[in-house]
Amino acid sequence: TAGITQAPTSQILAAGRSMTLRCTQDMRHNAMYWYRQDLGLGLRLIHYSNTAGTTGKGEVPDGYSVSRANTDDFPLTLASAVPSQTSVYFCASSDRLATGASSYNEQFFGPGTRLTVL
Amino acid sequence: KNQVEQSPQSLIILEGKNCTLQCNYTVSPFSNLRWYKQDTGRGPVSLTIMTFSENTKSNGRYTATLDADTKQSSLHITASQLSDSASYICVVSGSNSGYALNFGKGTSLLVTP
Repeated sequence: TAGITQAPTSQILAAGRSMTLRCTQDMRHNAMYWYRQDLGLGLRLIHYSNTAGTTGKGEVPDGYSVSRANTDDFPLTLASAVPSQTSVYFCASSDRLATGASSYNEQFFGPGTRLTVL
Repeated sequence: KNQVEQSPQSLIILEGKNCTLQCNYTVSPFSNLRWYKQDTGRGPVSLTIMTFSENTKSNGRYTATLDADTKQSSLHITASQLSDSASYICVVSGSNSGYALNFGKGTSLLVTP
C-alpha cells in the first residue's frame, strides 16, 4: 500500500506563475489536509476537506485553493505564486476530520513537496 | 499565540544515552496529545497518542507521559540510536467542534556516535 503520495518532490517556480501540487491517498480516508512547514514554525493548516465534495479553510489559506472531486485526490493550487509561499508542503489524511474526540484517529502524512518561489 | 510550546528547541546527545523532550500546552478543553517523529526530508509519523485519562504510553524505546492537570507532556527516549536523530513534534487536540489540532514547533534531536 502506497499510503499518501505527493508530486512533485520539489519544484522551483517563478513568481507569478501558477502551480498545482498533487496529493493522492489509497486508504479511502474521508478527510484530507494540506499543511505548510517553515523553518522555526510548526505545521500550519492551509485547507482541509472533510469528505469528497467539501473543503474548508485552515489557518493560512490566502493564495491557495483546493478541490476534492473524489476521495483519493486533493490537489493544492497556487494561482499566482509569491516568494513567501516558498515552503515545504505536506498532504495528510485521516479516517475522519480531526475535530474534538475524532482527532484521536491518526493522521498519515505524505513525503512532502519542497517548493521554492523566486 | 502558539498554544503548544516545546523545549528544548534542539538537543545533541551521544549514542546510547537517554533524553527527555518537553511539551507544555494551553489548549483547553483538552482531547488528546500526540507525539510525532519527523525524519529529515520526510513527513511526520505518529509515535504515541494519549487522552486525558492516560498518564503514560510506550512505543518501544519511546515513552510519553502526560499530566493533564499541569498541561505538560514529556517524551523520553531510552538508549538512543543514531536513527533517533529527527525532529519530534507535539500535537495537542482540543475538544471544540472545529478543526482541533495544535502543532508545536518541534525539538530537533541529533544523536552522535
